Amino acid sequence: RKEVEQDPGPFNVPEGATVAFNCTYSNSASQSFFWYRQDCRKEPKLLMSVYSSGNEDGRFTAQLNRASQYISLLIRDSKLSDSATYLCVVINGYSSASKIIFGSGTRLSIRP
Amino acid sequence: GAVVSQHPSRVICKSGTSVKIECRSLDFQATTMFWYRQFPKQSLMLMATSNEGSKATYEQGVEKDKFLINHASLTLSTLTVTSAHPEDSSFYICSARGVVGGVLETQYFGPGTRLLVL
Repeated sequence: RKEVEQDPGPFNVPEGATVAFNCTYSNSASQSFFWYRQDCRKEPKLLMSVYSSGNEDGRFTAQLNRASQYISLLIRDSKLSDSATYLCVVINGYSSASKIIFGSGTRLSIRP
Repeated sequence: GAVVSQHPSRVICKSGTSVKIECRSLDFQATTMFWYRQFPKQSLMLMATSNEGSKATYEQGVEKDKFLINHASLTLSTLTVTSAHPEDSSFYICSARGVVGGVLETQYFGPGTRLLVL
């Protein structure tokens, strides 16, 4: 079983729709969680951290469910520019040597 | 925010030559740097982790003699692909993690280097 799993998609939704995807992790001791966005042929960029209490940044909402070991990303009122691959990242530990694990990404395509 | 630069952004070389890629953290000290490789339509694959002043830790299946990593300072790491072959053609991305503003941050990625070996 992979340490971090994501639905690869692609999710193809119309502009303005709300879309959500999850990421599950296997290590119950995982400490930190993030969502990254990667555009085609570009490097990943940090979208948002995921806090235990859940957090929101504009149209984006991230949530963590430790009991079920998953994190989620919700995008409201989706824009064409939201089309990208979204990577879930899990870090096991707090030191700079902590293992950072990437999900394989979920492809999102927003259509006009 | 923290910035990581990578050079060159694109390189084309002949089979058998060596290619050096530089990764720099521009406004913070990177205690740890990571090198990833990404093939088309695939996820990032961690190649190695390096801490400043010590030897890199390579992931299983990555040849340390082929992919030489040097992390000589807190702001610079280099990856040298020795005797490159066409199957080494890929998108190489570095990332750096360190203390920014007194807080241990998550990692920031360089813009990547696209390597094409002919």
